[in-house]
Parts: sequence; C-alpha cells; structure tokens
Amino acid sequence: DTGVSQDPRHKITKRGQNVTFRCDPISEHNRLYWYRQTLGQGPEFLTYFQNEAQLEKSRLLSDRFSAERPKGSFSTLEIQRTEQGDSAMYLCASSRTTEGNEQFFGPGTRLTVL
Amino acid sequence: DAKTTQPTSMDCAEGRAANLPCNHSTISGNEYVYWYRQIHSQGPQYIIHGLKNNETNEMASLIITEDRKSSTLILPHATLRDTAVYYCIVSSYGQNFVFGPGTRLSVLP
Repeated sequence: DTGVSQDPRHKITKRGQNVTFRCDPISEHNRLYWYRQTLGQGPEFLTYFQNEAQLEKSRLLSDRFSAERPKGSFSTLEIQRTEQGDSAMYLCASSRTTEGNEQFFGPGTRLTVL
Repeated sequence: DAKTTQPTSMDCAEGRAANLPCNHSTISGNEYVYWYRQIHSQGPQYIIHGLKNNETNEMASLIITEDRKSSTLILPHATLRDTAVYYCIVSSYGQNFVFGPGTRLSVLP
C-alpha cells in the first residue's frame, strides 16, 4: 500500500454513460497525476495537478475527459459519453514538489465499457 | 515516445541476482533515471532512482554508467515475487513520466 487510494477499483458501464473516478493522494503531496494503461502497454500520461492547478494535459485527454482537484487534495476524473476504446486501467499517482521526486501510484480503477 | 530502451523479456533463476539493463543515450544533464515495477493488475511500484551516482536501497541497486547513457537495475537475490514488468524511465524535475513497454522479468524456481 503506497498511501494513494482510488475508488472504485472496478467499473463496468455501458457505452454512452458517464463515469467518475476518485483519487486520494498521499496527504503531503502537492502533485497529482492521472495515467491510462491498456493491456500490454505501459501507462500513458493524461494530466497532472500541482495543488489545485491543472498544469498539463496530454493530447490523449479528449474533450470527453475532465479532471479536477478542487481543494488541492483529492482529484476526480470524469469520462462523458464513454466509448469501448475507453476501456483501460486508470492510474493515479502523487508526489512531492521536490527535485527528483518519485511518484507513488495507486492501485488503479479498471474500466470496462460494454 | 519513451527515451529508454529495454529488453522485452528476461529470465532469472530464483536466488540469483537479476540484472536489468536500460539504455538512455539521449539523457539530459538534469534528468533522473527511475525504476518502477508492475505486478499484474496492480499499480506501478517505485523501486529506486538516481541522477549520477550509484544508489542502493532495501529493494535494489542502481548502477549508472559514467556517461549516464545506460543503467542497470540489480535485484541481488531474486525471488518468485519479483516476477513483474520492470520500467526504466528518464525524467526531469516537473516532467510527467513517459513509460515504455518495459522488461518482463520471469524468476524461475
């Protein structure tokens, strides 16, 4: 257990539905990252926050995806109008804002879109 | 694209040292080398990282060549529980991580 928690751990939804995932980082970590991982691939960066500010978004983050970190603590990732191609593991990580800062990952949320 | 190159897979006998290589020939002076591993269906687990000097912790040792163009992760006494995909990542301060496909290490009894 790294101290990063994600909820839910598994989500099955039908195409076209909206889903929301939550990430609770390690409490003293300013930075929070979202990644997506499909079968057989390494994780791919989606977006990251420093405190409540969203500082970078990948081109993978289409307009159906939105992430928030309203109080600089937990974060949510919402996918609207899900598609089968959204089926993946969604990983959250957190880190301190120091040079050489390692990221600590949560267990992930596995999304299956039927 | 990932800035690192790793072998696709490796085998290691239980109890022996596992040496996992990584090439990062385009590494910049301010970029660190990080190693993570991922056991099936779990989130990546941090192992170790370094900038220039060799590093050791309770899990592993990291050997970085003098020119910093390659590194080796050493698991001194591999166990069956070390079977996982190992990722080598190069990243500088404030950058997100770019993962490649990693090395699938199989520890054999």
